[in-house]
Amino acid sequence: ETGVTQTPRHLVMGMTNKKSLKCEQHLGHNAMYWYKQSAKKPLELMFVYNFKEQTENNSVPSRFSPECPNSSHLFLHLHTLQPEDSALYLCASSQAAPGDNEQFFGPGTRLTVL
Amino acid sequence: GENVEQHPSTLSVQEGDSAVIKCTYSDSASNYFPWYKQELGKGPQLIIDIRSNVGEKKDQRIAVTLNKTAKHFSLHITETQPEDSAVYFCAADDYKLSFGAGTTVTVRA
Repeated sequence: ETGVTQTPRHLVMGMTNKKSLKCEQHLGHNAMYWYKQSAKKPLELMFVYNFKEQTENNSVPSRFSPECPNSSHLFLHLHTLQPEDSALYLCASSQAAPGDNEQFFGPGTRLTVL
Repeated sequence: GENVEQHPSTLSVQEGDSAVIKCTYSDSASNYFPWYKQELGKGPQLIIDIRSNVGEKKDQRIAVTLNKTAKHFSLHITETQPEDSAVYFCAADDYKLSFGAGTTVTVRA
């Protein structure tokens, strides 16, 4: 609907697993973002990529590893996560970053860490 | 960095009544203020935004006001309908978006 797709939509993993989240945007944007959304809390910006270059790492633990092979695709590689990492992970894109550009969000991946 | 406070956290209104959500921000350098609506199972979607050189903006039943001196901005929804039930987020942009914690709006039929 928004031009930003995320897979999988739901993911359950153990603390020793390795998994990856995928995001793809069909809007011709140059900036992509990962956010963490927990209940009753503001969206937390995790990473920003602008023209495939990482421009923001908001003190995210190293068990989260982003990858941006091109301006249309963004991955979040997960390993040895903790139960408190369970949340909705949202991907977004915009024309460029930084700047007052509208961000378009995907539907998110609901992650549960057991 | 920017800090955005949003109130109330929950809001229940009768269908046809108005709903108002208020946000304050801390960084006077912020110059872009979007509002997002998030429905169940979906990501946030932009419904209206305002920039620092404008005091008010309206789009059909939705309006946003901005007071830069006081560093607060508000969302107004008139003639609420059941489909307005959702979580609403305000945000402020200095060089990146900082979001409020959200307001869960329930429109009672």
